[in-house]
Amino acid sequence: DAGVTQSPTHLIKTRGQQVTLRCSPKSGHDTVSWYQQALGQGPQFIFQYYEEEERQRGNFPDRFSGHQFPNYSSELNVNALLLGDSALYLCASSFFERIGGYTFGSGTRLTVV
Amino acid sequence: EDQVTQSPEALRLQEGESSSLNCSYTVSGLRGLFWYRQDPGKGPEFLFTLYSAGEEKEKERLKATLTKKESFLHITAPKPEDSATYLCAGGPDTDKLIFGTGTRLQVFP
Repeated sequence: DAGVTQSPTHLIKTRGQQVTLRCSPKSGHDTVSWYQQALGQGPQFIFQYYEEEERQRGNFPDRFSGHQFPNYSSELNVNALLLGDSALYLCASSFFERIGGYTFGSGTRLTVV
Repeated sequence: EDQVTQSPEALRLQEGESSSLNCSYTVSGLRGLFWYRQDPGKGPEFLFTLYSAGEEKEKERLKATLTKKESFLHITAPKPEDSATYLCAGGPDTDKLIFGTGTRLQVFP
């Protein structure tokens, strides 16, 4: 049973560029959440998608946007990249409103130069 | 403001030397306290969910406990393969988790 799949695994972008990260949730899960993890820090919640809608958002600017597709997969888009956006971006899937551990993917390591 | 604080930041243990990791939280209306293990370059791996004070859960050499203000992850007779960063997270609701900065555990043979 495949877990959460993220692509690409690594990415290098230049300041000001735009990036799209992709996530396929664990089979059967209908909710996708995105987290940003800076080096040496814990993950920080960006937003969550369910039924193709953003359900809740953390303290991230509008440069961060997302999308969920009918097959529950999701994309995270970041516009006008800043050096401070360099981080590990984690996708986590779950069942909607079921309290329990997320299943995380291995993440996309984004480096902005 | 909801917050999760973990201590110590780093812990070095000899193989077989038991210890505990601490997670203190101030999360309004906590609905779940989560422990994850994270290996370098990987995503967090779910370990435990605790829902109410007094609850305990065990998995191999790990045991998690919860009080009204903090949670502990006890590691009994650790092995080198237990080396990882252990993350604690509080969930005020099901939509998002508030993570601590983690405890980096190194176990030496």
